[in-house]
Amino acid sequence: AQSVAQPEDQVNVAEGNPLTVKCTYSVSGNPYLFWYVQYPNRGLQFLLKYITGDNLVKGSYGFEAEFNKSQTSFHLKKPSALVSDSALYFCAVRDKPSNTGKLIFGQGTTLQVKP
Amino acid sequence: EAQVTQNPRYLITVTGKKLTVTCSQNMNHEYMSWYRQDPGLGLRQIYYSMNVEVTDKGDVPEGYKVSRKEKRNFPLILESPSPNQTSLYFCASSTARSSYEQYFGPGTRLTVT
Repeated sequence: AQSVAQPEDQVNVAEGNPLTVKCTYSVSGNPYLFWYVQYPNRGLQFLLKYITGDNLVKGSYGFEAEFNKSQTSFHLKKPSALVSDSALYFCAVRDKPSNTGKLIFGQGTTLQVKP
Repeated sequence: EAQVTQNPRYLITVTGKKLTVTCSQNMNHEYMSWYRQDPGLGLRQIYYSMNVEVTDKGDVPEGYKVSRKEKRNFPLILESPSPNQTSLYFCASSTARSSYEQYFGPGTRLTVT
Protein backbone atom coordinates (compact mmCIF):
# COMPACT_ATOMS: atom_id res chain seq x y z
CA ALA A 1 0.00 0.00 0.00
CA GLN A 2 1.10 3.51 -0.74
CA SER A 3 2.14 5.61 2.24
CA VAL A 4 3.78 8.88 3.17
CA ALA A 5 5.65 9.74 6.36
CA GLN A 6 6.57 13.12 7.77
CA PRO A 7 8.97 12.28 10.58
CA GLU A 8 8.84 15.67 12.32
CA ASP A 9 5.74 17.02 14.01
CA GLN A 10 7.29 20.47 14.20
CA VAL A 11 10.21 22.30 12.66
CA ASN A 12 11.54 25.52 14.14
CA VAL A 13 13.77 27.89 12.19
CA ALA A 14 14.86 31.47 12.49
CA GLU A 15 13.77 33.99 9.89
CA GLY A 16 16.31 34.22 7.09
CA ASN A 17 17.68 30.73 7.66
CA PRO A 18 17.10 27.87 5.22
CA LEU A 19 14.31 25.46 6.05
CA THR A 20 13.69 21.81 5.30
CA VAL A 21 10.51 19.86 5.93
CA LYS A 22 11.04 16.14 5.47
CA CYS A 23 8.89 13.61 3.65
CA THR A 24 9.49 9.98 2.76
CA TYR A 25 7.23 7.80 0.70
CA SER A 26 6.52 4.19 -0.10
CA VAL A 27 4.85 3.47 -3.43
CA SER A 28 4.93 0.88 -6.13
CA GLY A 29 6.15 2.21 -9.42
CA ASN A 30 6.78 5.86 -10.15
CA PRO A 31 5.30 8.24 -7.59
CA TYR A 32 3.28 11.39 -8.07
CA LEU A 33 4.26 13.56 -5.09
CA PHE A 34 2.74 16.78 -3.77
CA TRP A 35 3.24 19.40 -1.10
CA TYR A 36 0.41 21.43 0.35
CA VAL A 37 0.35 24.21 2.95
CA GLN A 38 -2.43 25.03 5.38
CA TYR A 39 -2.56 28.42 7.05
CA PRO A 40 -4.68 28.81 10.21
CA ASN A 41 -8.40 28.61 9.51
CA ARG A 42 -7.80 28.10 5.82
CA GLY A 43 -8.02 25.24 3.35
CA LEU A 44 -5.06 23.47 1.85
CA GLN A 45 -3.13 25.28 -0.83
CA PHE A 46 -1.05 23.55 -3.46
CA LEU A 47 2.68 24.32 -3.37
CA LEU A 48 4.30 22.02 -5.89
CA LYS A 49 4.31 18.55 -7.39
CA TYR A 50 6.69 16.02 -8.86
CA ILE A 51 5.45 13.86 -11.68
CA THR A 52 8.50 13.21 -13.79
CA GLY A 53 11.61 14.95 -15.06
CA ASP A 54 13.98 17.17 -13.10
CA ASN A 55 14.45 16.03 -9.53
CA LEU A 56 14.37 19.60 -8.24
CA VAL A 57 10.88 21.02 -8.44
CA LYS A 58 10.13 24.70 -7.94
CA GLY A 59 6.80 25.84 -6.58
CA SER A 60 4.89 28.72 -5.09
CA TYR A 61 6.19 31.29 -2.55
CA GLY A 62 9.83 30.40 -3.21
CA PHE A 63 9.53 26.78 -2.10
CA GLU A 64 11.21 23.90 -3.84
CA ALA A 65 11.41 20.16 -3.29
CA GLU A 66 13.98 17.57 -4.18
CA PHE A 67 12.88 14.15 -5.36
CA ASN A 68 15.36 11.45 -4.35
CA LYS A 69 14.41 8.05 -5.70
CA SER A 70 17.16 6.09 -3.94
CA GLN A 71 16.20 7.52 -0.55
CA THR A 72 12.46 7.59 -1.38
CA SER A 73 12.30 11.15 -0.14
CA PHE A 74 10.70 14.38 -1.28
CA HIS A 75 11.87 17.06 1.15
CA LEU A 76 10.47 20.58 0.97
CA LYS A 77 13.02 23.39 1.09
CA LYS A 78 13.32 27.14 1.05
CA PRO A 79 16.61 29.05 1.04
CA SER A 80 15.45 31.83 3.36
CA ALA A 81 12.48 31.40 5.69
CA LEU A 82 9.91 34.11 6.37
CA VAL A 83 7.75 34.48 9.46
CA SER A 84 4.77 34.30 7.12
CA ASP A 85 5.84 30.76 6.12
CA SER A 86 4.68 29.56 9.53
CA ALA A 87 1.94 27.04 8.79
CA LEU A 88 1.09 23.35 8.63
CA TYR A 89 2.67 21.48 5.72
CA PHE A 90 1.46 18.24 4.21
CA CYS A 91 3.24 15.87 1.89
CA ALA A 92 1.05 13.61 -0.26
CA VAL A 93 1.35 10.85 -2.83
CA ARG A 94 -1.15 9.79 -5.45
CA ASP A 95 -2.82 6.54 -4.57
CA LYS A 96 -2.82 3.66 -6.99
CA PRO A 97 -4.82 2.65 -8.89
CA SER A 98 -5.13 6.22 -10.04
CA ASN A 99 -8.82 6.12 -10.88
CA THR A 100 -9.77 7.03 -7.33
CA GLY A 101 -8.45 10.57 -7.67
CA LYS A 102 -7.17 10.08 -4.13
CA LEU A 103 -4.08 11.46 -2.49
CA ILE A 104 -2.57 9.85 0.59
CA PHE A 105 -1.40 12.46 3.06
CA GLY A 106 1.24 12.47 5.73
CA GLN A 107 0.29 13.56 9.22
CA GLY A 108 1.58 17.06 8.68
CA THR A 109 4.51 19.13 9.96
CA THR A 110 4.06 22.44 11.71
CA LEU A 111 6.64 24.97 10.61
CA GLN A 112 7.40 27.74 13.07
CA VAL A 113 9.55 30.60 11.80
CA LYS A 114 10.71 32.96 14.53
CA PRO A 115 11.78 36.55 13.94
CA GLU B 1 -12.32 32.19 -10.56
CA ALA B 2 -11.65 28.46 -10.29
CA GLN B 3 -12.74 27.30 -6.89
CA VAL B 4 -14.28 24.70 -4.63
CA THR B 5 -16.94 25.99 -2.27
CA GLN B 6 -18.33 24.37 0.85
CA ASN B 7 -21.23 25.26 3.06
CA PRO B 8 -21.59 25.76 5.90
CA ARG B 9 -18.14 26.74 7.14
CA TYR B 10 -19.02 26.11 10.75
CA LEU B 11 -21.69 23.86 12.18
CA ILE B 12 -22.60 22.84 15.71
CA THR B 13 -25.22 20.15 15.99
CA VAL B 14 -26.50 17.47 18.32
CA THR B 15 -26.16 13.72 18.15
CA GLY B 16 -28.57 12.11 15.73
CA LYS B 17 -29.70 15.20 13.84
CA LYS B 18 -29.21 14.63 10.13
CA LEU B 19 -27.09 17.16 8.31
CA THR B 20 -25.68 17.84 4.86
CA VAL B 21 -22.51 19.65 3.94
CA THR B 22 -22.56 20.92 0.38
CA CYS B 23 -19.62 21.04 -2.00
CA SER B 24 -19.45 22.55 -5.45
CA GLN B 25 -16.64 23.04 -7.98
CA ASN B 26 -16.61 25.13 -11.15
CA MET B 27 -13.65 23.51 -12.92
CA ASN B 28 -15.46 20.63 -14.61
CA HIS B 29 -13.30 18.18 -12.68
CA GLU B 30 -14.25 14.55 -12.92
CA TYR B 31 -12.91 13.55 -9.49
CA MET B 32 -14.24 14.77 -6.18
CA SER B 33 -13.40 13.66 -2.65
CA TRP B 34 -14.28 14.29 0.94
CA TYR B 35 -11.56 14.26 3.59
CA ARG B 36 -11.60 14.71 7.31
CA GLN B 37 -8.70 16.26 9.16
CA ASP B 38 -7.93 15.28 12.73
CA PRO B 39 -4.87 16.29 14.76
CA GLY B 40 -1.96 13.91 14.31
CA LEU B 41 -3.77 11.92 11.64
CA GLY B 42 -3.43 14.17 8.63
CA LEU B 43 -6.22 13.99 6.08
CA ARG B 44 -8.16 10.81 5.57
CA GLN B 45 -10.43 10.21 2.64
CA ILE B 46 -14.07 9.52 3.47
CA TYR B 47 -15.61 9.02 0.01
CA TYR B 48 -14.67 9.78 -3.51
CA SER B 49 -16.37 10.08 -6.87
CA MET B 50 -14.87 9.44 -10.27
CA ASN B 51 -17.74 11.03 -12.16
CA VAL B 52 -21.49 11.52 -12.11
CA GLU B 53 -23.27 8.63 -10.40
CA VAL B 54 -19.94 6.90 -9.62
CA THR B 55 -18.93 6.95 -5.97
CA ASP B 56 -16.97 4.68 -3.68
CA LYS B 57 -15.75 4.40 -0.12
CA GLY B 58 -12.48 5.85 1.02
CA ASP B 59 -10.60 4.96 4.18
CA VAL B 60 -13.13 6.11 6.79
CA PRO B 61 -16.63 5.91 5.27
CA GLU B 62 -18.59 4.72 8.32
CA GLY B 63 -21.40 7.08 9.25
CA TYR B 64 -21.29 9.07 6.01
CA LYS B 65 -23.12 9.07 2.69
CA VAL B 66 -22.51 10.92 -0.54
CA SER B 67 -24.16 11.41 -3.90
CA ARG B 68 -23.03 12.76 -7.27
CA LYS B 69 -26.05 13.63 -9.35
CA GLU B 70 -24.33 16.51 -11.11
CA LYS B 71 -20.70 16.85 -12.03
CA ARG B 72 -20.19 20.05 -10.04
CA ASN B 73 -21.80 18.97 -6.74
CA PHE B 74 -20.77 16.38 -4.19
CA PRO B 75 -22.68 16.70 -0.91
CA LEU B 76 -21.65 14.88 2.26
CA ILE B 77 -24.50 13.52 4.36
CA LEU B 78 -24.36 12.53 8.01
CA GLU B 79 -27.61 10.70 8.65
CA SER B 80 -27.10 10.34 12.40
CA PRO B 81 -24.08 12.33 13.52
CA SER B 82 -22.12 11.21 16.55
CA PRO B 83 -19.49 13.03 18.64
CA ASN B 84 -16.65 11.05 17.00
CA GLN B 85 -17.54 12.81 13.75
CA THR B 86 -16.50 16.11 15.22
CA SER B 87 -13.77 17.15 12.81
CA LEU B 88 -12.64 19.51 10.07
CA TYR B 89 -13.98 18.42 6.69
CA PHE B 90 -12.57 19.27 3.29
CA CYS B 91 -14.01 18.75 -0.13
CA ALA B 92 -11.57 18.49 -3.02
CA SER B 93 -11.71 18.09 -6.76
CA SER B 94 -9.14 16.98 -9.28
CA THR B 95 -8.64 15.93 -12.84
CA ALA B 96 -6.32 13.53 -14.60
CA ARG B 97 -5.41 16.45 -16.89
CA SER B 98 -3.49 18.07 -14.02
CA SER B 99 -1.99 14.85 -12.64
CA TYR B 100 -4.63 14.58 -9.92
CA GLU B 101 -3.55 17.73 -8.10
CA GLN B 102 -6.29 18.32 -5.56
CA TYR B 103 -8.11 21.64 -5.31
CA PHE B 104 -9.51 22.07 -1.82
CA GLY B 105 -12.48 23.89 -0.46
CA PRO B 106 -12.12 26.17 2.59
CA GLY B 107 -13.24 23.50 5.05
CA THR B 108 -16.22 22.89 7.32
CA ARG B 109 -15.66 22.69 11.04
CA LEU B 110 -18.27 20.36 12.50
CA THR B 111 -18.95 19.90 16.19
CA VAL B 112 -21.36 17.19 17.31
CA THR B 113 -22.45 17.39 20.95
